[in-house]
Amino acid sequence: AQSVSQHNHHVILSEAASLELGCNYSYGGTVNLFWYVQYPGQHLQLLLKYFSGDPLVKGIKGFEAEFIKSKFSFNLRKPSVQWSDTAEYFCAVNTEYGNKLVFGAGTILRVKS
Amino acid sequence: GAGVSQSPRYKVAKRGQDVALRCDPISGHVSLFWYQQALGQGPEFLTYFQNEAQLDKSGLPSDRFFAERPEGSVSTLKIQRTQQEDSAVYLCASSVRTGGYNEQFFGPGTRLTVL
Repeated sequence: AQSVSQHNHHVILSEAASLELGCNYSYGGTVNLFWYVQYPGQHLQLLLKYFSGDPLVKGIKGFEAEFIKSKFSFNLRKPSVQWSDTAEYFCAVNTEYGNKLVFGAGTILRVKS
Repeated sequence: GAGVSQSPRYKVAKRGQDVALRCDPISGHVSLFWYQQALGQGPEFLTYFQNEAQLDKSGLPSDRFFAERPEGSVSTLKIQRTQQEDSAVYLCASSVRTGGYNEQFFGPGTRLTVL
């Protein structure tokens, strides 16, 4: 069965600091990879996704993620965080044969102003 | 609005009661998903519909859980004889077509508390 692990459950950063959230998945075949974000009081929304092509994917609000197939990783990055990036971030995966998403446990990011 | 809507937003049930949770997907979306999110965890898949057909129900935790989408639009998740371990946020998502690379749009969820 597929699984997704996110390395940090809580991250606290100051504004303008750089962000990297780790995500590793277990599945040997072709995968589609997603990062979803949940801002306080809001529902889950897509930040970015990868399914083929350039392994460096750019998303909304200055976020990007890099797919490294050899490491089964899809880490999320942002060069300079803002207070408004305070949210919970979820990495998710599905396979070419399935539609259901398998989520990691989430990382709560708090950005101090 | 144009997004996925769910009702009720909050539901408190006494142990043993039956509950029904509703999901209105984005109009025209073929695929509909239900997920369960326990406190401090990521969403976990429950079941998947393509139009009115329930193609995957492998995530339903017991036979007390039942989902339907009779006309291929609105879906209802029913939990019979609720237990305390059913307390969670139940999320509905829809996507415009089948295929794993399609974005799933999530609703706000229904927070179920079983006393």
